[in-house]
Amino acid sequence: DTGVSQDPRHKITKRGQNVTFRCDPISEHNRLYWYRQTLGQGPEFLTYFQNEAQLEKSRLLSDRFSAERPKGSFSTLEIQRTEQGDSAMYLCASSRGGPGNEQFFGPGTRLTVL
Amino acid sequence: AQSVTQLDSHVSVSEGTPVLLRCNYSSSYSPSLFWYVQHPNKGLQLLLKYTSAATLVKGINGFEAEFKKSETSFHLTKPSAHMSDAAEYFCVVSETSGTYKYIFGTGTRLKVLA
Repeated sequence: DTGVSQDPRHKITKRGQNVTFRCDPISEHNRLYWYRQTLGQGPEFLTYFQNEAQLEKSRLLSDRFSAERPKGSFSTLEIQRTEQGDSAMYLCASSRGGPGNEQFFGPGTRLTVL
Repeated sequence: AQSVTQLDSHVSVSEGTPVLLRCNYSSSYSPSLFWYVQHPNKGLQLLLKYTSAATLVKGINGFEAEFKKSETSFHLTKPSAHMSDAAEYFCVVSETSGTYKYIFGTGTRLKVLA
């Protein structure tokens, strides 16, 4: 299967700890997105990469969050000093360039902050 | 700013009866619109997309949607519901330039009764 993969699938951490998530996009996709989904809501945009460049960050992405995409391949999303409000499903998606091209989503990483 | 509104948070239908999930959009430009389905513990899967070609769009698993510019609607339909259709459905509008990031509706949970 050559879809989008995310690791880990589940992460339980204590408040104040740092966590890092990884996303491996579909190999030929140059665009990579991170979204966050809380219970009962639709996913919300966090940040966007085109190749290795991070071109947009949402206001939802506080300074405790950082994302990278070295060499334009996999991406990592790190949350420092986690808070209970960070508990959510973190989704990664990738796509080809251009309007109308659909995004392909990974299974997500469910974060629980105790 | 672009947005989508899903008019029903929950819809219940009996197996074998038609499904209608309603979505209205707001966009300054000709939008790209999508419907995704999310089954429990699974990733978001694309059902269908509209990108300014035919206004009646056919998707997977017997779903279709009609783009109506005059009504700013993109409702999802299926003639006959199956038990396996029970899931969360998201209407999505994509930015028309730049990042092409997604703006999701709040979702409609479809319940199919035996």
